[in-house]
Amino acid sequence: DVKVTQSSRYLVKRTGEKVFLECVQDMDHENMFWYRQDPGLGLRLIYFSYDVKMKEKGDIPEGYSVSREKKERFSLILESASTNQTSMYLCASYGQISGNTIYFGEGSWLTVV
Amino acid sequence: GEDVEQSLFLSVREGDSSVINCTYTDSSSTYLYWYKQEPGAGLQLLTYIFSNMDMKQDQRLTVLLNKKDKHLSLRIADTQTGDSAIYFCAQGAGGGNKLTFGTGTQLKVEL
Repeated sequence: DVKVTQSSRYLVKRTGEKVFLECVQDMDHENMFWYRQDPGLGLRLIYFSYDVKMKEKGDIPEGYSVSREKKERFSLILESASTNQTSMYLCASYGQISGNTIYFGEGSWLTVV
Repeated sequence: GEDVEQSLFLSVREGDSSVINCTYTDSSSTYLYWYKQEPGAGLQLLTYIFSNMDMKQDQRLTVLLNKKDKHLSLRIADTQTGDSAIYFCAQGAGGGNKLTFGTGTQLKVEL
């Protein structure tokens, strides 16, 4: 089974802290995504990556950056966390071998106080 | 830009059918998807339909696509308490292209 693992399920950070959210997939997928999920807004795409060291902005990239140094790992970085970044963050991956299925991690709940 | 809309809540009795509706704006979408999110979990792909299809059936799930009206629906027959979850509609061009998700519909199944 494909596995997308997000290293932290629950985090509490202070305003202004630098935050790293890590995501690892074990199926050699080329494409990886970071979404945030907020009630009433659904999922919104922050950044995605279609290859190592490649990244593309999604719909709401402001306040975020990403890193893809290795194929299996896609990191989301909040340079200076703010309270409006309190949310559920979902990582996803897709590859040629996965047909039409995008696989999601279980999510990381981030609270910024 | 692309927009996908869903109603936020749906409540049904156990054993009844549930119908979750979705409207989308991007007529170039190649694939339309339904994802399920159980409490505290990530999203799980339930089913998808290619844009040249009108209907797809998979056990208790039936997907209907009205391309003219840009309307997608998911029917769950014989709804069970285990079907209680948030259901997301999504549209995309297929492959690794990014998906645009709806707001999600919270389905509550009552005894």
